Amino acid sequence: EDQVTQSPEALRLQEGESSSLNCSYTVSGLRGLFWYRQDPGKGPEFLFTLYSAGEEKEKERLKATLTKKESFLHITAPKPEDSATYLCAFGGGTSYGKLTFGQGTILTVHP
Amino acid sequence: GAVVSQHPSRVICKSGTSVKIECRSLDFQATTMFWYRQFPKKSLMLMATSNEGSKATYEQGVEKDKFLINHASLTLSTLTVTSAHPEDSSFYICSAPRAGANEQFFGPGTRLTVL
Repeated sequence: EDQVTQSPEALRLQEGESSSLNCSYTVSGLRGLFWYRQDPGKGPEFLFTLYSAGEEKEKERLKATLTKKESFLHITAPKPEDSATYLCAFGGGTSYGKLTFGQGTILTVHP
Repeated sequence: GAVVSQHPSRVICKSGTSVKIECRSLDFQATTMFWYRQFPKKSLMLMATSNEGSKATYEQGVEKDKFLINHASLTLSTLTVTSAHPEDSSFYICSAPRAGANEQFFGPGTRLTVL
């Protein structure tokens, strides 16, 4: 059965304290591993798509990497405004465009 | 980036009434849109796939007679929650992939509260 698991469920960091979020997946026919940011009461905001093992993408303080079994979202020197829920999802299977989401990591960055 | 809008942003209704939620892709056409629901502090669960010009495809366990989906045009999909009950209270979010792109853009969500 295709599934995706995120860890940790919650992460508290001090401003400037770098860390990583993990997304482990088991899926046949991966069509992209997606990272989204979601603020409370809002829809998910697209961050990255990764398609193949070894691929990396960066945006400001965030860098996403992908292996055959997991993806990491590295946060370098986070700021309080980076506090949000980070969701990973995979697209795959026979239905193009359908995303299966992990349960998310709630990130809190304290000043 | 592409923009997807939803209306209304929040709605409060009495038990037994029906509620319609609109999802629009503002700057691109979407032959397919997706509807998700999200409970507090939980992740998004796909409910159904909305297909322009054909019937929606529902995920296992989602009542198609309860959640009516109509993909009226290439930029509009609607979700109607019929005879809503308190257990239908949730955050409903739509998404649309832009043609040729393996990326999906999400609407801002609709908070439904059924009293």
